[in-house]
Amino acid sequence: GAVVSQHPSRVICKSGTSVKIECRSLDFQATTMFWYRQFPKKSLMLMATSNEGSKATYEQGVEKDKFLINHASLTLSTLTVTSAHPEDSSFYICSAGQSDYEQYFGPGTRLTVT
Amino acid sequence: KQEVTQIPAALSVPEGENLVLNCSFTDSAIYNLQWFRQDPGKGLTSLLLIQSSQREQTSGRLNASLDKSSGRSTLYIAASQPGDSATYLCAVRLYSGANSKLTFGKGITLSVRP
Repeated sequence: GAVVSQHPSRVICKSGTSVKIECRSLDFQATTMFWYRQFPKKSLMLMATSNEGSKATYEQGVEKDKFLINHASLTLSTLTVTSAHPEDSSFYICSAGQSDYEQYFGPGTRLTVT
Repeated sequence: KQEVTQIPAALSVPEGENLVLNCSFTDSAIYNLQWFRQDPGKGLTSLLLIQSSQREQTSGRLNASLDKSSGRSTLYIAASQPGDSATYLCAVRLYSGANSKLTFGKGITLSVRP
């Protein structure tokens, strides 16, 4: 089946620094990737939709200058959390669509900002 | 705005019991509905996907049904096992196309006692 990977799986960074998270579709090409954030005991919150070769579409309330998304190829999208603060600590999950009706999810990245 | 509700938030059952997890959504004009499993600290694994024209889907001990007109879906787990312990999320998609978003419920955390 379709496999999506994320790197790193865990990252700890200091407040004020930037962190980049990669999302890769390993065995298929994904024109669209999605980035989600999940708080403890909460559902997944869609942050943005990433299309290959174009600017990402951000959901209302998500700061595009803080969460930079780049989708440079059909198999790679990156999320960069700029000037991270403790409140950015969360579980970040990406998904990629192989067809127009199913999304495949990555294993997630646990970000802790100290 | 589409809202997805899963009640109760948590459920504990003894091993071997058959159980039903419920999901409701406010806008019945969906394209499809998906059930996912999430283990602690992990990403999402797709369990079953039901297109809007379908009534149910089955995979092994899992059966998902969809009643679009009433805005309800159920996930039936037969002969539950401790390995089924996880959080189960349902998500709906309003339209087709690679950019179509999923709207998630908060999930039901299932614990199957040996």
